[in-house]
Amino acid sequence: QQQVKQSPQSLIVQKGGISIINCAYENTAFDYFPWYQQFPGKGPALLIAIRPDVSEKKEGRFTISFNKSAKQFSLHIMDSQPGDSATYFCAAAFQGAQKLVFGQGTRLTINP
Amino acid sequence: KAGVTQTPRYLIKTRGQQVTLSCSPISGHRSVSWYQQTPGQGLQFLFEYFSETQRNKGNFPGRFSGRQFSNSRSEMNVSTLELGDSALYLCASSLAGKGNTGELFFGEGSRLTVL
Repeated sequence: QQQVKQSPQSLIVQKGGISIINCAYENTAFDYFPWYQQFPGKGPALLIAIRPDVSEKKEGRFTISFNKSAKQFSLHIMDSQPGDSATYFCAAAFQGAQKLVFGQGTRLTINP
Repeated sequence: KAGVTQTPRYLIKTRGQQVTLSCSPISGHRSVSWYQQTPGQGLQFLFEYFSETQRNKGNFPGRFSGRQFSNSRSEMNVSTLELGDSALYLCASSLAGKGNTGELFFGEGSRLTVL
């Protein structure tokens, strides 16, 4: 199974709130889990990534939580800002491979 | 440092035609990947090249092909275009060598419309 399931499809959060996007995978051979952010008219850009030997990684307002036993990982955006409004994609890759399997994406809107 | 450059940015073709898309990776990046992005299917991996060799291929028909040149620039070709090929085609480059997964740097894409 090479699917990565992402939810929700869309999310509206008030400015200053916490945005949470969840992903689940089946294949335990995945060993690299990045999150990409995409603005309209632009290509995706790496936001933050984690490997399964770590349960949490934080970079500024962005945190990945990783649950290896549940085969789930999530992105938390603290103090969400209108500039965070974008589409977010989770992804997974096998060790040493440059092939990313992407989730379906979440359109995040931060209301001012 | 220049980013990933894709040309053309927009193009319109008719069914049955073929199209060639070009990608110039970030200087020093030897890995180039291609993805198809559509509203229905999301981002799907097409293929990846490293040092002129295809290392990985996605589940697309043989009408989709690609190549990489000695300067790491890459092209992808779609022959006998179908309406369902309308999509944003994204190229990404990476510093990753053999045995590790690295950050992908995406271009802004080539938007193909098939009429």
